[in-house]
Amino acid sequence: GAVVSQHPSWVICKSGTSVKIECRSLDFQATTMFWYRQFPKQSLMLMATSNEGSKATYEQGVEKDKFLINHASLTLSTLTVTSAHPEDSSFYICSARGVGDTGETQYFGPGTRLLVL
Amino acid sequence: AQSVTQLDSQVPVFEEAPVELRCNYSSSVSVYLFWYVQYPNQGLQLLLKYLSGSTLVKGINGFEAEFNKSQTSFHLRKPSVHISDTAEYFCAVSRWGSNYKLTFGKGTLLTVNP
Repeated sequence: GAVVSQHPSWVICKSGTSVKIECRSLDFQATTMFWYRQFPKQSLMLMATSNEGSKATYEQGVEKDKFLINHASLTLSTLTVTSAHPEDSSFYICSARGVGDTGETQYFGPGTRLLVL
Repeated sequence: AQSVTQLDSQVPVFEEAPVELRCNYSSSVSVYLFWYVQYPNQGLQLLLKYLSGSTLVKGINGFEAEFNKSQTSFHLRKPSVHISDTAEYFCAVSRWGSNYKLTFGKGTLLTVNP
């Protein structure tokens, strides 16, 4: 149980284009999803917290117009990197928090590696 | 705000040796504690967690951790490691009432050599 998927796993795009990354909880309902960014050999940096049916809460220093987050249902959240630039290249990881006995625990997706040329 | 310190950035060990990965945290309120493992180019997998109750927590793959409130530590241990345990290990805390936001340590790279 508690499986989270991400799609795509890899994406290469040209500078100036937008990229959408999907995060799905496959076997539980996720009231809250989190989006992280990880640079090589570094820890995870929380970008934003996404609650179903409401606006995402962004961490300090994260541009909300650059990184659009939509949590449309209890099993799906999307992160759209708008007008991507090479400095946006990174490993993006989502996590989901369920209800009940999974409520305190975040379950992570496998990550999406973005390369902007 | 809470913080997490993983004292060792890299820990090399030989196969079948015991290992301890250290984690200390600071927080003015009660916390939940987690250890996650990350294999190359993958997301994070939950190893174990401490929410309440017994301070010795057993997780997957033979790992265990002990919550020590007085020393604000949550060290991860395994009595005998395998080469397949080579990975990055992250300690994380979630402050009660924070909507379960995680604060991660910088990670410890465990390298198991034959």
